[in-house]
Amino acid sequence: DAKTTQPTSMDCAEGRAANLPCNHSTISGNEYVYWYRQIHSQGPQYIIHGLKNNETNEMASLIITEDRKSSTLILPHATLRDTAVYYCIVRVADSSYKLIFGSGTRLLVRP
Amino acid sequence: DAGVIQSPRHEVTEMGQEVTLRCKPISGHNSLFWYRQTMMRGLELLIYFNNNVPIDDSGMPEDRFSAKMPNASFSTLKIQPSEPRDSAVYFCASSLKGNSPLHFGNGTRLTVT
Repeated sequence: DAKTTQPTSMDCAEGRAANLPCNHSTISGNEYVYWYRQIHSQGPQYIIHGLKNNETNEMASLIITEDRKSSTLILPHATLRDTAVYYCIVRVADSSYKLIFGSGTRLLVRP
Repeated sequence: DAGVIQSPRHEVTEMGQEVTLRCKPISGHNSLFWYRQTMMRGLELLIYFNNNVPIDDSGMPEDRFSAKMPNASFSTLKIQPSEPRDSAVYFCASSLKGNSPLHFGNGTRLTVT
C-alpha cells in the first residue's frame, strides 16, 4: 500500500473549518484514500473514504486532487470534540483487507 | 447496533501469566482484525480473519501470541506467557467486506508487571 505523509500536529479555532492535508504521491490507480480519527482512550473511528471524486458525509468532506497525489480532509465547523489524531490511509480495495495506520495528525481545536 | 465489544476493558497481570482478550464483532461482519497500540510503535495490525479463517498473521510478534475465531461472533487473542513489553492497548475491529470501513471496539488496556 502507498505511503502517506501528514503533518505531525495542527490546531484551529472552534467553529472554524479544519483542513487536514495528506500527501500520497505514490498512490496507485486502484487505491482508495481513507480517513480515520482516534479520540483519546477510544478506538479509531471511520470518517470518510474516496477514490478520485470529492466526497461529503455528515462528518466531513474529502477533497482529492486531480492527479490523486494528495487530499484534504475538511471539518467544516470544528468543535472541541473534534480534538483527536487523524489518520490518512491509502489501501487497495481487494481481498487483502489490510488497513495500515501511520502516525497521523494530532488536531487540537482551541476554544 | 452495539458495535464491536471487547472485554475486559482493563487487565493487569503479572509476568508469566496467561492473558486472554475477547472480542465480539458486529453481527453480519465477516472480517475481524486485532491491532495493538503503544506510544512507541503506534497502531500495529497483528492478525486478520475473513469468514473465521486467519488470512494474515504476519503481524503477530511471537509464538507467545495466538488468536482464534471459533465462530462468526467471537474471537480471542491469547498471550502465554505474558511479558512486560506486551503492555499496550489491544483493539479489535470488524468490517463487512472489501473496502468497507473498519469498526473498532474501545480496546483492552493490558498492563503486565
